[in-house]
Amino acid sequence: AQRVTQPEKLLSVFKGAPVELKCNYSYSGSPELFWYVQYSRQRLQLLLRHISRESIKGFTADLNKGETSFHLKKPFAQEEDSAMYYCALSRYLNSGYSTLTFGKGTMLLVSP
Amino acid sequence: EAGVVQSPRYKIIEKKQPVAFWCNPISGHNTLYWYRQNLGQGPELLIRYENEEAVDDSQLPKDRFSAERLKGVDSTLKIQPAELGDSAVYLCASSFSDFSGNTIYFGEGSWLTVV
Repeated sequence: AQRVTQPEKLLSVFKGAPVELKCNYSYSGSPELFWYVQYSRQRLQLLLRHISRESIKGFTADLNKGETSFHLKKPFAQEEDSAMYYCALSRYLNSGYSTLTFGKGTMLLVSP
Repeated sequence: EAGVVQSPRYKIIEKKQPVAFWCNPISGHNTLYWYRQNLGQGPELLIRYENEEAVDDSQLPKDRFSAERLKGVDSTLKIQPAELGDSAVYLCASSFSDFSGNTIYFGEGSWLTVV
């Protein structure tokens, strides 16, 4: 069965410090990984997906199939990065369509 | 664009009472999802529709939960009767799906408290 693990419930850093939000997954197929973010009083929204290989708001994430990880990184944290971050894995159903499985989330707090 | 619209935003009911949530997806999105998010947890899929067809409802507690998506647009999720453990945020989401993958857009959620 597929599983997404985010080991940290809370990560607290100072502004300007590097950030790494950890995500590990288990899935027997070829995974597609995502990071979703939820800012205070806002809806859950897509931050980035591994197939895009892009940097969004200074965040990057690399899929490491050997370590089954998809950690989210940012070299210099900003106060506006404070939010709840969810790692998610897309798995394919027999029907051919995909569905998302989420981790429990990590709260990132960036202090001034 | 309004995005995914859900109502009501907040609902407090007594246990054993029924409750219904409504969702209007983004125009043109053929896939609609209902997720449940318990406090301190990530969202968990309850049901997924491709147009009018429920293609994944394996996590929907069918003894008390039901959902429908008539005409392949709006959807309702019903709980009858509600139990204390049903207190959670119910998230609706939509996407335009094809076999190459999709980006899922979420609504603001319907916060349910069962007392």
